[in-house]
Amino acid sequence: GAGVSQTPSNKVTEKGKYVELRCDPISGHTALYWYRQSLGQGPEFLIYFQGTGAADDSGLPNDRFFAVRPEGSVSTLKIQRTERGDSAVYLCASSSPGNREQYFGPGTRLTVT
Amino acid sequence: AQSVSQHNHHVILSEAASLELGCNYSYGGTVNLFWYVQYPGQHLQLLLKYFSGDPLVKGIKGFEAEFIKSKFSFNLRKPSVQWSDTAEYFCAVTHASGGSYIPTFGRGTSLIVHP
Repeated sequence: GAGVSQTPSNKVTEKGKYVELRCDPISGHTALYWYRQSLGQGPEFLIYFQGTGAADDSGLPNDRFFAVRPEGSVSTLKIQRTERGDSAVYLCASSSPGNREQYFGPGTRLTVT
Repeated sequence: AQSVSQHNHHVILSEAASLELGCNYSYGGTVNLFWYVQYPGQHLQLLLKYFSGDPLVKGIKGFEAEFIKSKFSFNLRKPSVQWSDTAEYFCAVTHASGGSYIPTFGRGTSLIVHP
């Protein structure tokens, strides 16, 4: 079956611009997670959705970052006024109800120039 | 807050050599433990996991890991590596309860296996 998909695979934007990153989880997976992975580091948690609601957004670094999941499936991570320090690979993962295993997407590589 | 340490950041081996990658975590409660692998150009995928029971866990592709609670460790091992094992390896820990199962990842170990 289809895995987690993320679009775009690469995004280059100028400092100060707004970007949206999309995640399409595995069908039926109610939990969705966003992570950020900087070069030479492991994935760092950003936000977790259970259904449509953000159950834990404690990892969002500041109020420039926001994520939505309006219908409990596709999620969009939104970054306002991008900064060069936002450059990283943004990963999405999903899991089925009650399952502790997460399935990761290929990531979106964001470069802020 | 929990943390995960992977002490080996870069490991270079020849084929058929044995592998052990260290992973230590700091958290006093009950944990779930994972090793993920990221092959070049591919996404993160689960290699093996420990939830409870036998502390020696077998994973895919001949990998295994041993949970030693007294040492807060979950080291990854493989008796004989292959060139195709070249990848980034990440250890991750979650609380065993709470519902969110948000993992904390180590910074990863880059493994290069020479043919």
